[in-house]
Amino acid sequence: NAGVTQTPKFRILKIGQSMTLQCAQDMNHNYMYWYRQDPGMGLKLIYYSVGAGITDKGEVPNGYNVSRSTTEDFPLRLELAAPSQTSVYFCASSYGLGGDTQYFGPGTRLTVL
Amino acid sequence: DAKTTQPPSMDCAEGRAANLPCNHSTISGNEYVYWYRQIHSQGPQYIIHGLKNNETNEMASLIITEDRKSSTLILPHATLRDTAVYYCIVRVAGNSGGSNYKLTFGKGTLLTVNP
Repeated sequence: NAGVTQTPKFRILKIGQSMTLQCAQDMNHNYMYWYRQDPGMGLKLIYYSVGAGITDKGEVPNGYNVSRSTTEDFPLRLELAAPSQTSVYFCASSYGLGGDTQYFGPGTRLTVL
Repeated sequence: DAKTTQPPSMDCAEGRAANLPCNHSTISGNEYVYWYRQIHSQGPQYIIHGLKNNETNEMASLIITEDRKSSTLILPHATLRDTAVYYCIVRVAGNSGGSNYKLTFGKGTLLTVNP
């Protein structure tokens, strides 16, 4: 199993540009999550999904959108990128919701200039 | 979720046991103690979790005090690759609904294993 994969690894955006961060898992997990981690800080939940077609907001959803058309994929869309969205983005998945072990991808390092 | 308190940093000699403490004095009866770690620039990695009994797996041991107000993660033979930030997280386990969907990561403990 590849586990949780994320692309791209690095990206630089200009203010106002848009992009989609890709996340895929091959563990047949129902639950998937997007977190962001600012320098020297812990992770904050952006969005999560409990299954295909079902998503919900986390702590810091503003400026982001998600979709979950399949069990495997959970892309994160940034519209009108802002410098405040400079961060490392981690995707995670779990069999159960929240309390079960979450498996994380390697992250996408995004810089907005 | 109950709040946790960890020392900001610790050092350990390679080959020795690393003992990482965590205080969680407001833990509830149905909350588990989880440990994750994050090696520099990588995604967090699950280590171990427990409710009230001590737990051991191939990575580490978890010792939870009888009153469950504190716990210690033990890496029995630390290596240089164990240098990472270790997070102690207290939360309800299992398929619970409502707001129990996220892991709350604090600042953790930076463990530095020295040669």
